[in-house]
Amino acid sequence: DAGVIQSPRHEVTEMGQEVTLRCKPISGHNSLFWYRQTMMRGLELLIYFNNNVPIDDSGMPEDRFSAKMPNASFSTLKIQPSEPRDSAVYFCASSFSQGLTTYEQYFGPGTRLTVT
Amino acid sequence: AQKVTQAQTEISVVEKEDVTLDCVYETRDTTYYLFWYKQPPSGELVFLIRRNSFDEQNEISGRYSWNFQKSTSSFNFTITASQVVDSAVYFCAPNQAGTALIFGKGTTLSVSS
Repeated sequence: DAGVIQSPRHEVTEMGQEVTLRCKPISGHNSLFWYRQTMMRGLELLIYFNNNVPIDDSGMPEDRFSAKMPNASFSTLKIQPSEPRDSAVYFCASSFSQGLTTYEQYFGPGTRLTVT
Repeated sequence: AQKVTQAQTEISVVEKEDVTLDCVYETRDTTYYLFWYKQPPSGELVFLIRRNSFDEQNEISGRYSWNFQKSTSSFNFTITASQVVDSAVYFCAPNQAGTALIFGKGTTLSVSS
C-alpha cells in the first residue's frame, strides 16, 4: 500500500489567501484524522472523521478552518482566509476502527504550510 | 478525557547506553489504549506499539521494550543499547476507545556517537 498521501508537501502563501490541503487515506481505513504540529502547541488534533462523518471537530481553531470528507478515499482541510499564525505542519492520519476498538493510526508525510 | 505526561522534555545519551522514556497517563475509562510513536528528524510519525488496557504483559521488540503498569498509570519505553538512529522525538498517546489519539508533548532523545 502507498500509505497515507498528502498534498502539497509544502505550501507558501500570503496572508488572506485560501489554502486547501488534501489527503488520501490508506485503502480500507474508515477513520481519518487531521492534526497540526507547531513548536509551541505540539501535535494537536483538529478533526476526526469516521466513515466519512465528522465525529469530533472541537480542535478546529475557528471558522476560518473547515474540513470535508466527500468519500472514503479523500479529505480536504481548508483555511480561508489564512493568517501567519496558521503556519505549521499539518498531518493527516488514517486507521481502521471497529466499534470501540482503536487501532493504530498511520500518518502521512505532512504538509508544511507557511503563511507570510 | 485522556491526559498524558511525558516529564522528560529532552534526554541525551551516548551510543550503547540504555534509556527509558517515561509516560504517565490519566483516564477514567476501564477500556483504553496506549500508543507510542516516533518522529525522527525527517519529520514523519512512525507507529511503534499499541497496547490495550487489559493486556499488562510487557513487550519486547528487538532493542525496544515497553513496561505497562496499570497500577501506576505508566507505560514506559526502554531502548537498549541505543544507536544514533534512535535520535527522535517520542510521543506517548493514551486513547479512549473509539476516539482519536491525544498526543503528549513528546520526549526528544539525542543519541551521540
